[in-house]
Amino acid sequence: EPEVTQTPSHQVTQMGQEVILRCVPISNHLYFYWYRQILGQKVEFLVSFYNNEISEKSEIFDDQFSVERPDGSNFTLKIRSTKLEDSAMYFCASKLTVTSYEQYFGPGTRLTVT
Amino acid sequence: QKEVEQNSGPLSVPEGAIASLNCTYSDRVSQSFFWYRQYSGKSPELIMSIYSNGDKEDGRFTAQLNKASQYVSLLIRDSQPSDSATYLCAVNRASGTYKYIFGTGTRLKVLA
Repeated sequence: EPEVTQTPSHQVTQMGQEVILRCVPISNHLYFYWYRQILGQKVEFLVSFYNNEISEKSEIFDDQFSVERPDGSNFTLKIRSTKLEDSAMYFCASKLTVTSYEQYFGPGTRLTVT
Repeated sequence: QKEVEQNSGPLSVPEGAIASLNCTYSDRVSQSFFWYRQYSGKSPELIMSIYSNGDKEDGRFTAQLNKASQYVSLLIRDSQPSDSATYLCAVNRASGTYKYIFGTGTRLKVLA
């Protein structure tokens, strides 16, 4: 069964460093998302991506964040200068088409900023 | 007012009982509703989706939707210890970017 994959599973970085989180969405899906979940809190929407551009971003997704689909399979989230409060689980999700509403989540990347 | 509200729990039920999980939402434009199960340290796993008023059954799970009351629920019949997890309610508008708005989740404990 096709699934969303994410790498790495755990990333430890120092404050101020850049990190890139990688996702491979389900192959024929067209909509891609990043969510984050701070420990003990709810899952929060960060950004959605469709047709090679951002379609919506939340207030959390400030200038420190960027997304890219560098090739036909990968979808990346970059944090330019990490802060302690960026420590969280980051989930990638994908959705098939405009008329399908179900999103499928990857296993997540746990980001720890020290 | 929170966009999606859930009782954080824990909700404790004995093995074999029915677990009832509830969710309310504030945005009347919401069109699609989802229940995800999340084990500790893992990602959300889709259990049920429901789009129309009424009940939708899938195995031991039944989702119920009442758009007039802005209420969605999940019933788990014959609860098993393996059902112990946090259950997340998510809603979206079925338009625009289709982003999900999640509730904080209800922690379910099924006691053997």
